[in-house]
Amino acid sequence: GENVEQHPSTLSVQEGDSAVIKCTYSDSASNYFPWYKQELGKRPQLIIDIRSNVGEKKDQRIAVTLNKTAKHFSLHITETQPEDSAVYFCAATSSRGSYIPTFGRGTSLIVHP
Amino acid sequence: EAGVVQSPRYKIIEKKQPVAFWCNPISGHNTLYWYLQNLGQGPELLIRYENEEAVDDSQLPKDRFSAERLKGVDSTLKIQPAELGDSAVYLCASSPSGDGEQFFGPGTRLTVL
Repeated sequence: GENVEQHPSTLSVQEGDSAVIKCTYSDSASNYFPWYKQELGKRPQLIIDIRSNVGEKKDQRIAVTLNKTAKHFSLHITETQPEDSAVYFCAATSSRGSYIPTFGRGTSLIVHP
Repeated sequence: EAGVVQSPRYKIIEKKQPVAFWCNPISGHNTLYWYLQNLGQGPELLIRYENEEAVDDSQLPKDRFSAERLKGVDSTLKIQPAELGDSAVYLCASSPSGDGEQFFGPGTRLTVL
């Protein structure tokens, strides 16, 4: 099955700095890669996603890049703000079989004012 | 539009007791997921439904866990008997299709004493 590794597990930055979170996956048949943000005690919410036919996608301060050859994708947050503090999860969904999503272990992002 | 609804939000039981969780997905979403989320971890898929059919339940511990989605709408996840290690947050999510954005419910936090 799919294996998703996410790094780092904790990321601490100063307000205004950029933050980068990286994930690798193992199944070459994976073709959908969402990123979810989960604030403490709340539900995960999608912040951006990318499909395998695209190399990069951007939405204001958030961007995701995908390298299919190397099987890794990254989340980039620019001009970080304290409200960006949360746990971020990457996921990979394989088109092999029944589209089972596999989540990474999460990155706790702390943005210091 | 109402989001995914789960109940109860919190449940405390003693080990060996049964427990059930309920999920009402977003109207029109054919795909429904049940996840288990331990503290500091990403969601782990337990079972996925397409309408009323369970298309992947390979991660569901069938000796004690069961699930159903009658009429392809609401779903119930049951544990009988509960064990100490079952303490976690149980998340339900729904999606219009199996390979796109998932919308998560608030989760049920289960504590087994």
